[in-house]
Amino acid sequence: AQSVTQLDSHVSVSEGTPVLLRCNYSSSYSPSLFWYVQHPNKGLQLLLKYTSAATLVKGINGFEAEFKKSETSFHLTKPSAHMSDAAEYFCVVSLSSNTGKLIFGQGTTLQVKP
Amino acid sequence: AAGVIQSPRHLIKEKRETATLKCYPIPRHDTVYWYQQGPGQDPQFLISFYEKMQSDKGSIPDRFSAQQFSDYHSELNMSSLELGDSALYFCASSLQGAGKNIQYFGAGTRLSVL
Repeated sequence: AQSVTQLDSHVSVSEGTPVLLRCNYSSSYSPSLFWYVQHPNKGLQLLLKYTSAATLVKGINGFEAEFKKSETSFHLTKPSAHMSDAAEYFCVVSLSSNTGKLIFGQGTTLQVKP
Repeated sequence: AAGVIQSPRHLIKEKRETATLKCYPIPRHDTVYWYQQGPGQDPQFLISFYEKMQSDKGSIPDRFSAQQFSDYHSELNMSSLELGDSALYFCASSLQGAGKNIQYFGAGTRLSVL
């Protein structure tokens, strides 16, 4: 069965410092992995995706994530946090099948302090 | 670029009433997905359609039904509403084939059942 675990429900950083949001996955197949961001009262926006190409994936707004098969991890990082990065972040896995339904992690709330 | 359109954005209903949520996918996208996000929860997959046929089913109550029409828009029909149905309902669309697992989300419909 496919699943994702986000290791931190809440992360707080100061503006200008690095961001690390941790995600571990479980999959019997080669997974497709995603990070989505949800700002308050907004929809879900795709940050980046991993689909078995390069293991280091670059996304929008300076975010990137590294797929590590040996550690079954797909952590999201950003070198320098901005106030506008404050939001809920979801690590997501998709079955490599025709249905393509997404399975979400529990979410990590990122707080950015001035 | 055109995005996924959901209507209405907000909906208030009373217990035991019915509700219909609409989703207009990105042009040329052939697959639609519905997700339910309860307060403080991660989105849960409800149901999906590909080329107007149901392609997968998740934790959708029997009181709910959905379909995809010839113009690819989809409707989620909810009957005998319960307080626990209060949630944010997202629709996402994708295109089968290369990159089929990339789902683009609408802004959601916030349903409040009183």
